[in-house]
Amino acid sequence: QSALTQPPSASGSPGQSVTISCTGTSSDVGGYNYVSWYREHPGKAPKLMIYEVNKRPSGVPDRFSGSKSGNTASLTVSGLQAEDEADYYCISYAGSNNLVFGGGTKVTVL
Amino acid sequence: QVQLQESGPGLVKPSETLSLTCGVSGYSISSGYYWGWIRQPPGKGLEWIGSIYHSGTTYCNPSLKSRVTISVDTSKNQFSLKLSSVTAADTAVYYCARSPDYYYMDVWGKGTTVTVSS
Repeated sequence: QSALTQPPSASGSPGQSVTISCTGTSSDVGGYNYVSWYREHPGKAPKLMIYEVNKRPSGVPDRFSGSKSGNTASLTVSGLQAEDEADYYCISYAGSNNLVFGGGTKVTVL
Repeated sequence: QVQLQESGPGLVKPSETLSLTCGVSGYSISSGYYWGWIRQPPGKGLEWIGSIYHSGTTYCNPSLKSRVTISVDTSKNQFSLKLSSVTAADTAVYYCARSPDYYYMDVWGKGTTVTVSS
């Protein structure tokens, strides 16, 4: 059982938006602005999409955005494209030099 | 362009020690950053194993800490993972990654599959 809770699946049609939640506690997500999001295509290495809740690395389209409210962080993918079909994971700092992961969300582009 | 490449045995016997190395190209480990290991058991999600700062300070998942050793060899520009007393539950794809701050990873290796079986 993962420390952070993500919905197992989410879907949307091309051009639409999809939002993935990542729920933790006040000891991890709620306590620090150190949530990051990763996209993983089958058989490929994960790719950093968002770090520190809402910062996008260079090269990541602005279709990807992150936010946080209380103990829940969210990743929104706007203007869905076929390449966005993948698994998405969240990670949060949990204090005491520990990191916790979400269980992953499979995004399907209908 | 920074690239990371995992290497090591693909098969390890139960109770033995799993040893992996991550070679880094395009960046000198001694210049900074954290360097870490993450794994993904078959059909399951990602799990953080631990990270090491270029100076040698390490941080480990509390659930694995007693079995994990992470080290860095700046002369070879690589870092390593040792996981002792492995069981079938340690079967996974193991990734190495670079972390500008150890709570997120900006460059990942392609991963290597390790199976624990007799």
